[in-house]
Amino acid sequence: GAGVSQSPSNKVTEKGKDVELRCDPISGHTALYWYRQSLGQGLEFLIYFQGNSAPDKSGLPSDRFSAERTGGSVSTLTIQRTQQEDSAVYLCASSLEGYSQYFGEGSWLTVV
Amino acid sequence: DQQVKQNSPSLSVQEGRISILNCDYTNSMFDYFLWYKKYPAEGPTFLISISSIKDKNEDGRFTVFLNKSAKHLSLHIVPSQPGDSAVYFCAASSRWGGATNKLIFGTGTLLAVQP
Repeated sequence: GAGVSQSPSNKVTEKGKDVELRCDPISGHTALYWYRQSLGQGLEFLIYFQGNSAPDKSGLPSDRFSAERTGGSVSTLTIQRTQQEDSAVYLCASSLEGYSQYFGEGSWLTVV
Repeated sequence: DQQVKQNSPSLSVQEGRISILNCDYTNSMFDYFLWYKKYPAEGPTFLISISSIKDKNEDGRFTVFLNKSAKHLSLHIVPSQPGDSAVYFCAASSRWGGATNKLIFGTGTLLAVQP
């Protein structure tokens, strides 16, 4: 597709379960970012991938959060042992290096 | 520490008038600034950006002004239309010197354009 694609669009999970969120960036974009927006908050940076460089993980809130990017394209964000405070919309963005980021529609995660 | 601040959580403007959304930042290393628009249940949509080497960038009804000495930027929408009603996020990044280009966002301003 032409834009950033994220799946699932909505996920309800029980506290303590693991979840995986997927992002397909815009074709040709070398940079990929994950952000999250909790209720009533701004967007919070989580992690950044650029080519073969080591990812910038400085925004990950705990070691329960991890992400990988396979083949320089698709990325998966994994949250282990989910907690209620993990409930948020998780947004993926991609860009050409140094240019504006384009966002997907997000994955809405609810932990009950 | 909130490095990008949008102090007005909401703004209401009449259709046809000018909307001015403001944003302040604290980190002098920021050299690239963006505005995003977000409708409910959708991802943010890129609107307009400005590099720190400029003080103004215009695209149709949207103009962004940057005042580096004051660490302040603003988005002007003229004329405002009801379809502009959305949450507007200001974002900043450091693009050079090996920085990772991660965006630091403000908390957003909800713009309501009244018909």
